[in-house]
Amino acid sequence: ELKVEQNPLFLSMQEGKNYTIYCNYSTTSDRLYWYRQDPGKSLESLFVLLSNGAVKQEGRLMASLDTKARLSTLHITAAVHDLSATYFCAVDQISNFGNEKLTFGTGTRLTIIP
Amino acid sequence: GAGVSQSPRYKVAKRGQDVALRCDPISGHVSLFWYQQALGQGPEFLTYFQNEAQLDKSGLPSDRFFAERPEGSVSTLKIQRTQQEDSAVYLCASSLAYRTKLYEQYFGPGTRLTVT
Repeated sequence: ELKVEQNPLFLSMQEGKNYTIYCNYSTTSDRLYWYRQDPGKSLESLFVLLSNGAVKQEGRLMASLDTKARLSTLHITAAVHDLSATYFCAVDQISNFGNEKLTFGTGTRLTIIP
Repeated sequence: GAGVSQSPRYKVAKRGQDVALRCDPISGHVSLFWYQQALGQGPEFLTYFQNEAQLDKSGLPSDRFFAERPEGSVSTLKIQRTQQEDSAVYLCASSLAYRTKLYEQYFGPGTRLTVT
């Protein structure tokens, strides 16, 4: 059974600081997603990582994927308050029935402190 | 353009009641997914439809949960005899194609179900 673990679960950062969220998963997969979720809202897709060594950047967020280590990271540079949210990684796998399905991590609740 | 919509956004049910949650996927999307997100947790897969065919229902937690998509567009998730442990946000997602490299799921706003 695929397991996806994120750490830390909670993160308080000061504005302007850098930090990294880690996502480890237990079985082989070649697709990994990062989502953002604001309180009471749905999931917003941030990044789709499709291959080993993939790196994508959008603003102050950068995501990378190492399929050999089964590890993805979400790096935050010079954090600003607007980045406060819960961040999920999700690993894509093919089910026994032939469809894709996502297995999510438990999420990292990020709070940016002025 | 229109995204995935869900209704109702909030539902309070007394224990033992039946509920029906609706999902309108993005027009033309072949694949439709239901997920359950308990408070403070990540979403968990419930079931998958390819058009009107329910191909994967491995994540449904009990036989009280039933989903349908009779015409290959709108889907309904029904929960019979609701229990307190059913309280969660139910997310619907759709994607354009089946098993392609460009696959990505687009999520609706969710229905928050509270069973009292």
